[in-house]
Amino acid sequence: DAGITQSPRHKVTETGTPVTLRCHQTENHRYMYWYRQDPGHGLRLIHYSYGVKDTDKGEVSDGYSVSRSKTEDFLLTLESATSSQTSVYFCAILGDPGNTIYFGEGSWLTVV
Amino acid sequence: SQQGEEDPQALSIQEGENATMNCSYKTSINNLQWYRQNSGRGLVHLILIRSNEREKHSGRLRVTLDTSKKSSSLLITASRAADTASYFCATAPNTGTASKLTFGTGTRLQVTL
Repeated sequence: DAGITQSPRHKVTETGTPVTLRCHQTENHRYMYWYRQDPGHGLRLIHYSYGVKDTDKGEVSDGYSVSRSKTEDFLLTLESATSSQTSVYFCAILGDPGNTIYFGEGSWLTVV
Repeated sequence: SQQGEEDPQALSIQEGENATMNCSYKTSINNLQWYRQNSGRGLVHLILIRSNEREKHSGRLRVTLDTSKKSSSLLITASRAADTASYFCATAPNTGTASKLTFGTGTRLQVTL
């Protein structure tokens, strides 16, 4: 357990509505990540952060934005949710030893 | 596109048998890692092997890395029902930040009694 908490854990929302997922960590790690997991695609990186206000795009960033105003919180926002964004979203941090990723328990999002 | 591709996609064995999963990747790497995911849970780190290493052991796990073939294998010896899970390889690039891991699509392992 690397002190990662995701919220909400489950959410059903309607197409076109905004959705924000929150990732909270308690151990002051610099790097934080948002992945999505879909059958047949494995885990794909959406966005990541390497410090407060420092973020960069991953492999599947279209339709998503992120913010990190505090070290401990990394927010993922779907500005206008679409059915293709139905997925399981995992937050992760880069911990010790170096290059080891620790994952949260996931957020199940269904867009109807 | 995925950097790592696991093979097979699914594997079913009996308790006590060995399970071998393979991972192929496309570009130069700094290290390769294996993760495990139980159903409905997040991924858990199992083992990391660096690009200058050829083999690594951790308990019942044995990982090999062949950088010339851009491939790795994960061997779980004397499998138990509790090993039932999905297993993913992940690669860290050799250039730029080594903190961006790319995951494969995973191997689903079923261990039956």
